[in-house]
Amino acid sequence: SQTIHQWPATLVQPVGSPLSLECTVEGTSNPNLYWYRQAAGRGLQLLFYSVGIGQISSEVPQNLSASRPQDRQFILSSKKLLLSDSGFYLCAWSRSSYNEQFFGPGTRLTVL
Amino acid sequence: GQQVMQIPQYQHVQEGEDFTTYCNSSTTLSNIQWYKQRPGGHPVFLIQLVKSGEVKKQKRLTFQFGEAKKNSSLHITATQTTDVGTYFCAGLNTNAGKSTFGDGTTLTVKP
Repeated sequence: SQTIHQWPATLVQPVGSPLSLECTVEGTSNPNLYWYRQAAGRGLQLLFYSVGIGQISSEVPQNLSASRPQDRQFILSSKKLLLSDSGFYLCAWSRSSYNEQFFGPGTRLTVL
Repeated sequence: GQQVMQIPQYQHVQEGEDFTTYCNSSTTLSNIQWYKQRPGGHPVFLIQLVKSGEVKKQKRLTFQFGEAKKNSSLHITATQTTDVGTYFCAGLNTNAGKSTFGDGTTLTVKP
């Protein structure tokens, strides 16, 4: 069976500090991978998605970046966090764009 | 770009009442998916609709896909406290190559 891991579960970071969130998927190959951000009580904002290693599509211009160094690994990064980067970050995978997405447990990021 | 609108944003019901959330797309969809996110949790896939006019049921939940494949609805009969959470639709436009999520409808149920 497939599983998706995200860590850490919670993170408190000062403004201006770097960020690295990691997501890994097990039990499948060549998945589509997604990074979403959810502000408190709000909807899902798609940040990045990837259909293969090294292939990243950016949805929203911002100070975040994503990388996919391995088939089942997706990393979200920032060089300098802003207060507005606070939120619930969710990683998800799907077999293809036609298939349902499976979400990880998420990381709650607070930037102070 | 593609837009998916979901209404209402919030719905408060008494336990036992029915609940419906509606999803409307600005473009024709290849499929539509529904997800549920419990408070403090992550979205979980419920169902996918593909065919024009399709209706699917899961116990007290009824999902419909419009004839024009531009709208969808989720209806819950006789809500229970376990139904609380936010319900999201996600519509796939093949040209866009990815699904677009609606902003969700948050359901609260008074026991």
